[in-house]
Amino acid sequence: ETGVTQTPRHLVMGMTNKKSLKCEQHLGHNAMYWYKQSAKKPLELMFVYSLEERVENNSVPSRFSPECPNSSHLFLHLHTLQPEDSALYLCASSQLTDRHYEQYFGPGTRLTVT
Amino acid sequence: AQSVAQPEDQVNVAEGNPLTVKCTYSVSGNPYLFWYVQYPNRGLQFLLKYITGDNLVKGSYGFEAEFNKSQTSFHLKKPSALVSDSALYFCAVRDIFGDDKIIFGKGTRLHILP
Repeated sequence: ETGVTQTPRHLVMGMTNKKSLKCEQHLGHNAMYWYKQSAKKPLELMFVYSLEERVENNSVPSRFSPECPNSSHLFLHLHTLQPEDSALYLCASSQLTDRHYEQYFGPGTRLTVT
Repeated sequence: AQSVAQPEDQVNVAEGNPLTVKCTYSVSGNPYLFWYVQYPNRGLQFLLKYITGDNLVKGSYGFEAEFNKSQTSFHLKKPSALVSDSALYFCAVRDIFGDDKIIFGKGTRLHILP
């Protein structure tokens, strides 16, 4: 699990705040992902970056803005969130050229929007 | 479109007994299949995968899974459950020739009773 790190681990923010989640992978992978995990719901894929280009955006509201400055780092910028955005946000990485390659997940950031 | 079903929200098993966590899938072509485990306050951790070849796949912590093409199933099994196996288990599928998306099931919570 130390191959993918996420900071902060916990975040409480008001609806008018701006904050960022950070993910870093030390595995030499070329793809990174953001997922949202809410209670009693399937894991929701939010964004996929392959070779630092965004290749997937699953109808995510614009109050979530991803950034991938290089293949090792991924950010999720948050602004004017809603209480229903409270969830566990998971980052993952994989080697996208190998389609059978599993994803490696970080520990997640537990976000609470008040 | 690909999909994954985990029909049980929760499975209870006595320690020492065999356990099974069910998963069925739907893809237009051939599947790559994965099992992940999530312990409290942690990210998902890869357990095992089916790519091709032997239908019985062995993974971490004594877990195994059997690929059954006719029943489109990939059930997770362990011969003797441990209390430490209590966690949330996710099945996932990727179509070999589809897009790069991995689809996760909604998860099954496994309780091992001492």
